[in-house]
Amino acid sequence: QVQLVESGGGVVQPGRSLRLSCAASGFSFSNFGMHWVRQAPGKGLEWVAVIWYDGSNKYYTDSVKGRFTISRDNSRNTLYLQMNSLRAEDTAVYYCARGDYTSEWKLSDFDYWGQGTMVTVSS
Amino acid sequence: EIVMTQSPATLSVSPGERATLSCRASQSVSSNLAWYQQKPGQAPRLLIYGASTRATGIPARFSGSGSGTEFTLAISSLQSEDFGVYYCQQYDNWPPWTFGQGTKVEIK
Repeated sequence: QVQLVESGGGVVQPGRSLRLSCAASGFSFSNFGMHWVRQAPGKGLEWVAVIWYDGSNKYYTDSVKGRFTISRDNSRNTLYLQMNSLRAEDTAVYYCARGDYTSEWKLSDFDYWGQGTMVTVSS
Repeated sequence: EIVMTQSPATLSVSPGERATLSCRASQSVSSNLAWYQQKPGQAPRLLIYGASTRATGIPARFSGSGSGTEFTLAISSLQSEDFGVYYCQQYDNWPPWTFGQGTKVEIK
C-alpha cells in the first residue's frame, strides 16, 4: 500500500533553516509528481510546492519563493523540502502528498498524504 | 490565482441526515475539482476528484456534482465517522493549487 512518512520537523528560531524529508513506499515513486502542503494551527490547507516526477520542474507558492527548495532523490524514494530564513508564519504541519494525473497526464488532485510533521518557528 | 469559497463554514447535522456542502470558484475550473475530508489530528483524505468521481474506497453515500464555478458535496446519510472538516480544491489552473477554507461538519 502507498505510504508517505514525513520527518524532520521541530522547533527552530526565526531566520534559521530546517530540512523536511518524506519517505515514500508502495508505489513507483519516480513516476509521480510530489507536493508539499502545509496547515497552520487551526487553519486550512495551503499548497506550498510541487516537483515533477523527474525533478525537471518545480513550482512554489509566492510566500516561500526564494526561501524554500523542493527536491527529490528517486534512488532513495525520498522527497525533501529545504526551508531557509524561516519566519513565524511558516509555523505549520507540513504534509507531503502524491500528485495524481488527469487522463491527459496533467497534474491534478492529491491522492495520498503523509501524516505530517510539525514545524514551529519561535524564538 | 483562483479563489475557492466554501459554505457554510459550519454545518450541524444529526446522524442519518443528509448534508450538503457548497464550493464556489472565482472563475471556471471546468470539472477539475476535488474534495477532501480531514478529521482532527489526521491528514486529509481524498474523497472526490473530477468533481464527481469517488476515490478508491470511498462509500457511495458521498457524491459530488457541479462544473464551472459551482460545486456540491453531498453526504446522503451522515455516519458518526463522517464528522470533520471538508475542503474543496481546484486543479484546473496551477500553480498554485488552491483550497477552500473548509466546512466543518459537526454533530447536531
